[in-house]
Amino acid sequence: DADVTQTPRNRITKTGKRIMLECSQTKGHDRMYWYRQDPGLGLRLIYYSFDVKDINKGEISDGYSVSRQAQAKFSLSLESAIPNQTALYFCATSDSDREDEQFFGPGTRLTVL
Amino acid sequence: ILNVEQSPQSLHVQEGDSTNFTCSFPSSNFYALHWYRWETAKSPEALFVMTLNGDEKKKGRISATLNTKEGYSYLYIKGSQPEDSATYLCAWGGGFKTIFGAGTRLFVKA
Repeated sequence: DADVTQTPRNRITKTGKRIMLECSQTKGHDRMYWYRQDPGLGLRLIYYSFDVKDINKGEISDGYSVSRQAQAKFSLSLESAIPNQTALYFCATSDSDREDEQFFGPGTRLTVL
Repeated sequence: ILNVEQSPQSLHVQEGDSTNFTCSFPSSNFYALHWYRWETAKSPEALFVMTLNGDEKKKGRISATLNTKEGYSYLYIKGSQPEDSATYLCAWGGGFKTIFGAGTRLFVKA
């Protein structure tokens, strides 16, 4: 079984809809991250969390919000989706003692029409 | 603005060819350099993490070198196989301070 899972894997939605992407991990890691990947660009950090009570904005947090419901769960919300949020979204985790090594989920491909 | 550049953007080789890619990164405040292998529809998986200038890592037919003073890393694949087809991501830094390159997309034709 995968250590980091994401649901849904694919989603098509319309402009203005609220969308939630979910991430779960069984690695027992404290740190979790949400990235987006666009063609021709590297992964860009949206939000990260050091633990359940510590959530921080990343490079491109505008238009997104997150919730760390438990150590194992970190969800990303788009309150009112817009077409330029069409992208591939990755969740990742790392251990606080070895933060340089990140473990990724399989990605969620989101299309906003 | 800190940037990580990878070249080439994509590469087509024949089975059995050896190939290499380049990752360029800021040479100041170096922490770590990572290589990931990302197959379509799967999770990116770590290949190597390197922290010291001159580091060389090897895993089977894949190896990597690191030059922190001049800010580059090479990834080598010896005798490419179709299953090596993937995107190879380079990342500089660590944790929430990681900066990713756009990747090199490798296609290996049988």
